[in-house]
Amino acid sequence: LAKTTQPISMDSYEGQEVNITCSHNNIATNDYITWYQQFPSQGPRFIIQGYKTKVTNEVASLFIPADRKSSTLSLPRVSLSDTAVYYCLVGDTFTNAGKSTFGDGTTLTVKP
Amino acid sequence: NAGVTQTPKFQVLKTGQSMTLQCAQDMNHNSMYWYRQDPGMGLRLIYYSASEGTTDKGEVPNGYNVSRLNKREFSLRLESAAPSQTSVYFCASTLGGVFDEQYFGPGTRLTVT
Repeated sequence: LAKTTQPISMDSYEGQEVNITCSHNNIATNDYITWYQQFPSQGPRFIIQGYKTKVTNEVASLFIPADRKSSTLSLPRVSLSDTAVYYCLVGDTFTNAGKSTFGDGTTLTVKP
Repeated sequence: NAGVTQTPKFQVLKTGQSMTLQCAQDMNHNSMYWYRQDPGMGLRLIYYSASEGTTDKGEVPNGYNVSRLNKREFSLRLESAAPSQTSVYFCASTLGGVFDEQYFGPGTRLTVT
């Protein structure tokens, strides 16, 4: 199972773009990269998932370089409501059944 | 469509007492999971069930038992609660495996005194 490393915390201001990077040097060929967001007193919520290059949805973009040893979650024009903990997960849904780990995540604080 | 529901929302136990946390999903998902989250930390997997009738240990299974009652319901039992089990417990489900999109319940806040 690929080990992931994220910054413990980040600060930003409203309206800025925020990029959170996750390192996963031992990612396997079949592994996908998934990001979750968690607000206080709530369960995590799925944000985005990708395998390579770039994925974009209505909430965020995920950039994955060719070697796939890292990935960057990009949040455009953040607001105060984006203050949350963000988790990066890496794994293969077929061979790593049940063996997920959320780590400690990155605490993003958006300031006015 | 309620998604994933958990009961109770809050519980206080004395050391040595037992209790069962209930989880149900109405999305016809195959896999279900129990996590615990201690203050300021990430989620740690306790047990999971890849399909109805199967269960397996996760990262921190000691002190817990689970039952996959049917496809919808997955319960977590503490036989003899200890203060170290004070935590927030989350149940989740996925259509396929754990790296599919996980849908989480609202959590149960458990305090053991």
